[in-house]
Amino acid sequence: QQQVKQSPQSLIVQKGGISIINCAYENTAFDYFPWYQQFPGKGPALLIAIRPDVSEKKEGRFTISFNKSAKQFSLHIMDSQPGDSATYFCAASSPQGAQKLVFGQGTRLTINP
Amino acid sequence: NAGVTQTPKFRVLKTGQSMTLLCAQDMNHEYMYWYRQDPGMGLRLIHYSVGEGTTAKGEVPDGYNVSRLKKQNFLLGLESAAPSQTSVYFCAITRQGVAGELFFGEGSRLTVL
Repeated sequence: QQQVKQSPQSLIVQKGGISIINCAYENTAFDYFPWYQQFPGKGPALLIAIRPDVSEKKEGRFTISFNKSAKQFSLHIMDSQPGDSATYFCAASSPQGAQKLVFGQGTRLTINP
Repeated sequence: NAGVTQTPKFRVLKTGQSMTLLCAQDMNHEYMYWYRQDPGMGLRLIHYSVGEGTTAKGEVPDGYNVSRLKKQNFLLGLESAAPSQTSVYFCAITRQGVAGELFFGEGSRLTVL
C-alpha cells in the first residue's frame, strides 16, 4: 500500500519554465512533509519541507503548496534551470514511529536548455 | 567529516550467497535507517534503529537482518541473496526529535544474479 502517491513519474520542462510535481497522502496522522532532491550516483538530500499548519513555504525558487483538506501537496520550481535536473521525492512522517519517512515513487525532472 | 559512509559501493552476488552492507556515521545521530530504492517504487524502509542495541522492522524487512552493536555503525545483512534483492541500498541518519531531516549515504548498488 503506497501511502504517498507522487506524479508525474517523469517531467520535461524548458529552461526558465515552472516545474510542478504533485503528491497525495492518505494518513491524516502525517505532520511533516519534506521534499528530497537526488542527483545520479548520490543519495537524496533534503530540499525543502512544510508542516500542515501553513499552506505555502518558499525558499528561493522552490515552493511547497499544501492543501490539508485535499491531503495533497506539491513542489513548484520557478525559473527552472538545467542544474535542477534530478529525481525528486516527496515524503511524509508522523509523530509516532521513530521519525520514519514514507516516500513517494519519485519524479525524474529534466530541464532542457 | 564524511557524514554517512556506506561500504561496499558496488557488489555482485550469486543467488544464495550472503553479504553484509556497512553504514558508518560520524555525526553522533541516534536514529539510523536502511532503505532500498527501485525504479518506480521510491525509497522503501527495510529496517531502522533508534539507538545502540535496538533494531526494528520497516516496510520491507523480509530477507534482511540488521545489527547496531555500536552507535556509529548499522549493518544490513542478506543471509541468502535473491534476484529480487537487486537494488540500490541507502543508509540514512537523523537526530532524535528532528522529524524528516534525514542525511543519506551515497548508496550501495547490489546485483544478485
